[in-house]
Order: sequence, then C-alpha cells, then structure tokens
Amino acid sequence: GQQLNQSPQSMFIQEGEDVSMNCTSSSIFNTWLWYKQDPGEGPVLLIALYKAGELTSNGRLTAQFGITRKDSFLNISASIPSDVGIYFCAGMETSGSRLTFGEGTQLTVNP
Amino acid sequence: SAVISQKPSRDICQRGTSLTIQCQVDSQVTMMFWYRQQPGQSLTLIATANQGSEATYESGFVIDKFPISRPNLTFSTLTVSNMSPEDSSIYLCSVEDLKENTEAFFGQGTRLTVV
Repeated sequence: GQQLNQSPQSMFIQEGEDVSMNCTSSSIFNTWLWYKQDPGEGPVLLIALYKAGELTSNGRLTAQFGITRKDSFLNISASIPSDVGIYFCAGMETSGSRLTFGEGTQLTVNP
Repeated sequence: SAVISQKPSRDICQRGTSLTIQCQVDSQVTMMFWYRQQPGQSLTLIATANQGSEATYESGFVIDKFPISRPNLTFSTLTVSNMSPEDSSIYLCSVEDLKENTEAFFGQGTRLTVV
C-alpha cells in the first residue's frame, strides 16, 4: 500500500524563525493537502496542491507539489506562537479516492 | 468549505457498550469518510460511508465492529460496538466534494475513552 514519510517528527523553534517540513511517497499522488491540527480539534485544511511543480501560498505558509509527484513540502515563515500544533501532509491518488496521511510534524514555537 | 458538526465531542464509556457518533454536514457532499486517530498517531481511514449502500471498509476494520449508516448526502453515523480500552481514540468524520479540485474537510472529532 501507499506510504507517506513525513519529516521531521517534531521541531522546537524560536518565534520568528522559518520552518520547513516535507513528505515523500512511495507512489504518485495527484493531490497533496496540508493540514494543521490543534489539541482537541479536527485537522484544518491549510493548502491544497493539484499540479506537479505547483507552488501555493496562504499567508505565511507556502507549499509545493514536487515535480515527481512523490513529494511535497510546507514552509512557514516568521513563526508565531499560534503556529504551535501538529501538521499533517496527505496525498490522494485520484479525485475521490482515499487520503493517505503522513505521520505528522509536531511544531513547538518558543516565544 | 463545508461545515461539519460531529456529536458527541467526547465521551467516556464502559467496556462492552456501544457508542454512536453522528456527523452532520451543512451541504450535500459526494463522499463521507470515517477516520480513527489513536493517541499521538496519525489518521487511519476506517471506511467510506456510501449513501444508500453498505460502507466500504479498509483492511483491519469490519462492519460488525464499526457499523456505519449514511441515509442521505448530509448525514452519517459511526457506531463503535462492544468497546474495549483499545478503542480509546479520536474518531473523525471527513467529507469531500468531487469537483475539479478535490478538498477534504474534517469535523472536530469525537474523543472516546473506554474504561
């Protein structure tokens, strides 16, 4: 079955620093989604990517769909304390197919 | 984006009992899914809730343990049957709309503790 490797597992950074996390897959995806999950909440969609090479921003967040379709990264610039949470990548082979999730990156931002 | 309401938000249940979780969406959606998130883990798909027919279960999940209903395009239920402490998890409802660019949205989850 599909596997998604997400790294790093956790990050401890100072407020104001930039953050980068990535996901690699053993198979090709046609859609990459990035989510943030706060404690006690469901995942919230941050960015959706649909084309190889696509680079999309949402405020301080930027994500890219890898050219090979087997990877994606998420960057957060100038981190703030409210960026704390768990970030998940998720890939979808075709529209309407199941989502495969990465293991998550736990982000801690020290003020 | 779709607004998803999940009930209950949390519950503490005795082993051997069953709990039914409800998922209500504010608009008609094509696809509805149920996920489990064990403590400190990622999300694992339990099943796809099919409107008007039996759910499609992933490997390791069976209908007797996790019966699912989807009577219409805006509502689904997941029952966790004959619970044991190993069923303590967050259960999440998710929806997708099959349009040109698919997005998937989640409810706030149901935190289940089995004692």
